[in-house]
Amino acid sequence: IQLTQSPSSLSASVRDRVTITCRASQGINNYLVWYQQKPGKAPKLLIYGSSTLQTGVPSRFSGSGSGTDFTLTISSLQPEDFATYYCQQVNSYPPTFGGGTKVEIK
Amino acid sequence: EVQLVESGGDLVQPGGSLRLSCAASGFTFSTYWMSWVRQAPGKGLEWVANIKQDVTKTYYVDSVKGRFTISRDNAKNSLYLQMNSLRVEDTAIYYCARDHPIAASGTVDHWGQGTLVTVSS
Repeated sequence: IQLTQSPSSLSASVRDRVTITCRASQGINNYLVWYQQKPGKAPKLLIYGSSTLQTGVPSRFSGSGSGTDFTLTISSLQPEDFATYYCQQVNSYPPTFGGGTKVEIK
Repeated sequence: EVQLVESGGDLVQPGGSLRLSCAASGFTFSTYWMSWVRQAPGKGLEWVANIKQDVTKTYYVDSVKGRFTISRDNAKNSLYLQMNSLRVEDTAIYYCARDHPIAASGTVDHWGQGTLVTVSS
């Protein structure tokens, strides 16, 4: 299953609302995961099951979608949110990742 | 605190072998699926393999099937990845990863710091 993220990169300002999309090549129910990765660091789990926030993740992050189209929204971008975001499908083996979306400072 | 510490990364020639290890602590290792995920330099993430708690099930990405073997020793709280017939395209940081206890298998809730495998002549 292929996952296509868009955009591949974006520039935004602190307090902006940011939306990243992830489209699957076939239906994956709600088995969609979002990770955040900062340079030189391991990824961090943000959201699983399309919309369930991982413990400890700020509520400004939210996820939605089902089937083939999914979104990650950051309601008010904070300085620590500048990073690369990946979606992953875990509906069927092998789990696959999207190509990533780099969120940069405008 | 959950800790996953990888070791074994190195520079190896194409066709060579390497064994990665991951020492787990801070949780009951024997009750979790465990995974390996890799990331080529400057590239995205690629799931490699995972293994069930009782070792009865293992899964691999097609590109490593027949060359890599994932295993675990629950008595030693350790995860392993035996990599044979290595190719240049296997060059990557390899992350040891713990699968989320509730979410679907393959969902990673804790990651190690990674170990670098470089395949080059």
